[in-house]
Amino acid sequence: AAGVIQSPRHLIKEKRETATLKCYPIPRHDTVYWYQQGPGQDPQFLISFYEKMQSDKGSIPDRFSAQQFSDYHSELNMSSLELGDSALYFCASRPSGNGPDTQYFGPGTRLTVL
Amino acid sequence: QKEVEQNSGPLSVPEGAIASLNCTYSDRGSQSFFWYRQYSGKSPELIMSIYSNGDKEDGRFTAQLNKASQYVSLLIRDSQPSDSATYLCAVNIGYNFNKFYFGSGTKLNVKP
Repeated sequence: AAGVIQSPRHLIKEKRETATLKCYPIPRHDTVYWYQQGPGQDPQFLISFYEKMQSDKGSIPDRFSAQQFSDYHSELNMSSLELGDSALYFCASRPSGNGPDTQYFGPGTRLTVL
Repeated sequence: QKEVEQNSGPLSVPEGAIASLNCTYSDRGSQSFFWYRQYSGKSPELIMSIYSNGDKEDGRFTAQLNKASQYVSLLIRDSQPSDSATYLCAVNIGYNFNKFYFGSGTKLNVKP
């Protein structure tokens, strides 16, 4: 069965650089969530999209922006990177009309900021 | 105050014992509650969901919800070494399902 795809799986950047993380949800899933998980930390909800519109915002810094495109894939853009942005970034997707049981997580992108 | 609180552990239990994991949440408007299992460096995997007060059983797992006390628990019977992982409690706040909050997780060690 198709799963959530995230790319790249690993990314190394310097401070003050920019990074773009991509998420390809499971086909026919129209809701996408982004989470940030620092070392030894719990996943922090960043932002979600439903039908290409921003749905909810969590603890997403102003330096970050995200969008969902017409094919439902989503991108998380991160600018002026800081050392503290080093984390695992998870994307999850869910089809509308079904319960929250069906939030499926991708494998994550490990971002390292040097 | 965090929306979801868990004891970080580690919780150590012998193989075959019952592991009991606990979680409290702060928002009385929370509607849905979840337990995820996460192995180191891997993505969270849904174990159980529960929406109404009482117990919900699925195989070796039982989730318990008490909305009056704002408390959720997960019992793992006949614990196996492969159950060793971090267990995350998650709460959906609001009537849509577009915002989830996770606890910091409880690390479970099941000793052979």
